[in-house]
Amino acid sequence: GEDVEQSLFLSVREGDSSVINCTYTDSSSTYLYWYKQEPGAGLQLLTYIFSNMDMKQDQRLTVLLNKKDKHLSLRIADTQTGDSAIYFCADGAGSYIPTFGRGTSLIVHP
Amino acid sequence: DTEVTQTPKHLVMGMTNKKSLKCEQHMGHRAMYWYKQKAKKPPELMFVYSYEKLSINESVPSRFSPECPNSSLLNLHLHALQPEDSALYLCASSQEGGNLFEQFFGPGTRLTVL
Repeated sequence: GEDVEQSLFLSVREGDSSVINCTYTDSSSTYLYWYKQEPGAGLQLLTYIFSNMDMKQDQRLTVLLNKKDKHLSLRIADTQTGDSAIYFCADGAGSYIPTFGRGTSLIVHP
Repeated sequence: DTEVTQTPKHLVMGMTNKKSLKCEQHMGHRAMYWYKQKAKKPPELMFVYSYEKLSINESVPSRFSPECPNSSLLNLHLHALQPEDSALYLCASSQEGGNLFEQFFGPGTRLTVL
């Protein structure tokens, strides 16, 4: 079955870059997604990448995909305290419903 | 309007109570979902409705009963719940079809079962 792994915590200083990593197992993934969940809120789709792309940039967000190693990363440039949240990697392989990783809690210190 | 709304925000209920969670979207999406999320965990899929018909039930106990009265509304009826059912219940919707799967999530209902 599909499996998506993420580290559980990341702590950075305000203004630094954050890099959140994710690995997945299903090589038939078509789209891979990053969702953000702020405390007490639902999930918000931040960005996604199509499996034939290596990189996607969207303002402060850069997604890198290494399909050979099944490794996905999300880089947030100039991290702000408002970026503190849980970030979920999701794999859109197989069924059209994503498989979510366990989430990475990003803590941004002033 | 790109919003999914859920009511109530918070719900406390006893194990003998019957209550309902409501979800609404006006984006013309024909797929709607219920997820359960425990603290510090990813959302777990419970049900999927596609064109107002139940298409996926992830072996959810019968004390949870979904209903889709029309294409904009999704309900989750609760009866005889257990304390371990306490969680954040998230509703989501999406367009049907295609490979790009963008789900729009509501803010959730925080359920506490006493």
